[in-house]
Amino acid sequence: KQEVTQIPAALSVPEGENLVLNCSFTDSAIYNLQWFRQDPGKGLTSLLLIQSSQREQTSGRLNASLDKSSGRSTLYIAASQPGDSATYLCAPEGGSGNTGKLIFGQGTTLQVKP
Amino acid sequence: NAGVMQNPRHLVRRRGQEARLRCSPVKGHSHVYWYRQLPEEGLKFMVYLQKENIIDESGMPKERFSAEFPKEGPSILRIQQVVRGDSAAYFCASSSLVQTQYFGPGTRLLVL
Repeated sequence: KQEVTQIPAALSVPEGENLVLNCSFTDSAIYNLQWFRQDPGKGLTSLLLIQSSQREQTSGRLNASLDKSSGRSTLYIAASQPGDSATYLCAPEGGSGNTGKLIFGQGTTLQVKP
Repeated sequence: NAGVMQNPRHLVRRRGQEARLRCSPVKGHSHVYWYRQLPEEGLKFMVYLQKENIIDESGMPKERFSAEFPKEGPSILRIQQVVRGDSAAYFCASSSLVQTQYFGPGTRLLVL
């Protein structure tokens, strides 16, 4: 059974810092891994998708890496801004016996102070 | 998101009533997923459907919950005889094969 852990659970930083959000998963037989952003009371916005054959993906100030064999993914946020404040969710897709469903971590709640 | 629509956005039901949640996937997507987010908890998978087929319902409660994705029309998540513990945000996602899942805005169900 796939289990996903995200560390830290919460993070509060001043504006401008570079951030590292960590995600670990127990079953490495995944198809891909997605990072999402969720604002309070809102839906999910897909930030990055890394295929199982890829090592990393970049979009603007965001960079996500994937080490499938060790069951780890990291989301880097460069030059953080107050608008980055949200909960960030890691979700591998697939794994042994999984049919394409996403398994979510509990998330990292980020607050960036001006 | 890339066009997944869910309605209603907010739904209030009294205990014992039925709740019907609708999801229209991105045009051309034939894979639909339902997830539930209970208050102060993470997102949990409920069911995965393709047109007219349930592929994986391992996350669905055994009773009162059902889902369908007919050949025509939206996917429906039906909850019969709702209880207070069903109060949650229900999210639908769609995808094309094994690709990015795009999420809708969710339906927030409140059971009084």
